[in-house]
Amino acid sequence: DVKVTQSSRYLVKRTGEKVFLECVQDMDHENMFWYRQDPGLGLRLIYFSYDVKMKEKGDIPEGYSVSREKKERFSLILESASTNQTSMYLCASRPGHTYEQYFGPGTRLTVT
Amino acid sequence: GDSVTQMEGPVTLSEEAFLTINCTYTATGYPSLFWYVQYPGEGLQLLLKATKADDKGSNKGFEATYRKETTSFHLEKGSVQVSDSAVYFCARHSGNTPLVFGKGTRLSVIA
Repeated sequence: DVKVTQSSRYLVKRTGEKVFLECVQDMDHENMFWYRQDPGLGLRLIYFSYDVKMKEKGDIPEGYSVSREKKERFSLILESASTNQTSMYLCASRPGHTYEQYFGPGTRLTVT
Repeated sequence: GDSVTQMEGPVTLSEEAFLTINCTYTATGYPSLFWYVQYPGEGLQLLLKATKADDKGSNKGFEATYRKETTSFHLEKGSVQVSDSAVYFCARHSGNTPLVFGKGTRLSVIA
């Protein structure tokens, strides 16, 4: 079974803190994605990566950055957390030859 | 750009009722179409897919048919169960781009 794991299920941070959300997949997938999920807005793509050290902006990259130093790990960074970044964050991975994306369980981040 | 529109929820049904969740997509290119499901407290998981016109995807009693003429991919189930309560997302994909998701439809099934 493909497994996508996220470092925390719940996280509480203060405004202005630097926040790291980690995602690891164990199936050697080329593509990895970060989404945020908010009520009434569905899933919105923040950043994605097609390969190690590569990154592409999604629909809402402002306030976020990413890092992909190893194929299996894709990190989302909030440089200075703000309350409007309180959300559920979902990581996903996908093999290069198929369209099916595999999701992690999500990290619910609260910024106070 | 590419987009997916699905019916807004929440949808509340009694057990054994018939379910339809509508989904339409923009007709750019020849996309593959998907339904994902998110159970409470979990990430999304693939429910079913169809990769070309007139294909029918099916899984766990759910079905959806890729209708090119109406650009639709409606999700149906003949008899829902309480365990089907979840959020359902329609999605499309074409080329080497990320999936584009609809906003999700929350389904609640009551006994």
